[in-house]
Amino acid sequence: DAKTTQPNSMESNEEEPVHLPCNHSTISGTDYIHWYRQLPSQGPEYVIHGLTSNVNNRMASLAIAEDRKSSTLILHRATLRDAAVYYCILRDSGKPWDFRDDKIIFGKGTRLHILP
Amino acid sequence: DAGVIQSPRHEVTEMGQEVTLRCKPISGHNSLFWYRQTMMRGLELLIYFNNNVPIDDSGMPEDRFSAKMPNASFSTLKIQPSEPRDSAVYFCASSFNLLSTDTQYFGPGTRLTVL
Repeated sequence: DAKTTQPNSMESNEEEPVHLPCNHSTISGTDYIHWYRQLPSQGPEYVIHGLTSNVNNRMASLAIAEDRKSSTLILHRATLRDAAVYYCILRDSGKPWDFRDDKIIFGKGTRLHILP
Repeated sequence: DAGVIQSPRHEVTEMGQEVTLRCKPISGHNSLFWYRQTMMRGLELLIYFNNNVPIDDSGMPEDRFSAKMPNASFSTLKIQPSEPRDSAVYFCASSFNLLSTDTQYFGPGTRLTVL
């Protein structure tokens, strides 16, 4: 699977929008972009995923560059409860997970700090 | 639904003892995953099942680790004998199927400390 690059950490003020970037320059045409987040002392949780078009759900928006080599997770109004590690991962659409060559599914992610 | 349930939430044991971690996946999910998270290596996939059958256990670190899924609603991860380097948070996750677009739902984890 293609790799992703994310900043190690970011800071944002409470009640302001947050833009979390992810670079995936080797993405293939069939790769979905998934975002998960891990709140302190919890397991990762799904946030959003998309293929080509921008996506919105109740948690966040996903903006995908036209060439698909990068994407941005947007939290429209950050709260203290959004402080977490955010993971951007790529998965080939429609195919079973192939874990044989990629046991570390979730990389380091971006640690988001929210300032009150 | 209650989500993925793991027990115990915390386990402290001494080196050499047997440890059994338990997981109940979300009802109706056909796939189950065991992960281990440490500061050094992040979140590693250990083994996964589909329809109760182990598909790939190549992530299991050593023969001391074993996992079973006797039915669709229960799985165990056993470490025998345990060692201090096994100290980590162990997560169980389930998904509807193994398609890469299927969302994985994680449990709260079991924090294992081996003294």
